[in-house]
Amino acid sequence: DAKTTQPNSMESNEEEPVHLPCNHSTISGTDYIHWYRQLPSQGPEYVIHGLTSNVNNRMASLAIAEDRKSSTLILHRATLRDAAVYYCILFMDSNYQLIWGAGTKLIIKP
Amino acid sequence: NAGVTQTPKFRILKIGQSMTLQCTQDMNHNYMYWYRQDPGMGLKLIYYSVGAGITDKGEVPNGYNVSRSTTEDFPLRLELAAPSQTSVYFCASSYMLGREKLFFGSGTQLSVL
Repeated sequence: DAKTTQPNSMESNEEEPVHLPCNHSTISGTDYIHWYRQLPSQGPEYVIHGLTSNVNNRMASLAIAEDRKSSTLILHRATLRDAAVYYCILFMDSNYQLIWGAGTKLIIKP
Repeated sequence: NAGVTQTPKFRILKIGQSMTLQCTQDMNHNYMYWYRQDPGMGLKLIYYSVGAGITDKGEVPNGYNVSRSTTEDFPLRLELAAPSQTSVYFCASSYMLGREKLFFGSGTQLSVL
């Protein structure tokens, strides 16, 4: 099963950029890299996903290493509302065993 | 659009009781999933479905059953509830697996006492 490794927690100051790392050394060629976040007492919320190229959307950017064995979620200007647990997950078309790790708890300091 | 709707939001069961967690989506998604999340942990896949009439086991299926008679609905049945099933349950759906994002419901907090 594809696995990801993330730091347990990270701290950042409000209005500063945040870089959340994820290692996925066992990634296969067809695995999509997804990021979700979960606020307390809520269901996970989609943030961004990509396959090979860097991706941008209104919430964040996803930088994928050239060998695809790691990726970084970038929040360009963190707000207090970005405080959440962020999950990095690998999805493959034919793999229904979707393994979620414990994620990174992001703490935003005002 | 309502998205993914789960009911109930909270439930307390006695050991040995049974119940059904309801999940419905209005996005015409083929793929639907049931996850459980224990405190401080990531999500674990219980069952999934790739379309009406087709379901399969995930990582932790013991003690649960599912059915998928329509595209919209994917109920999760707990038979003979046990304290180990105390958890938060999330239903999710997606148009495709991997290439498209998952949409999650707001969850059901279940306690078995």
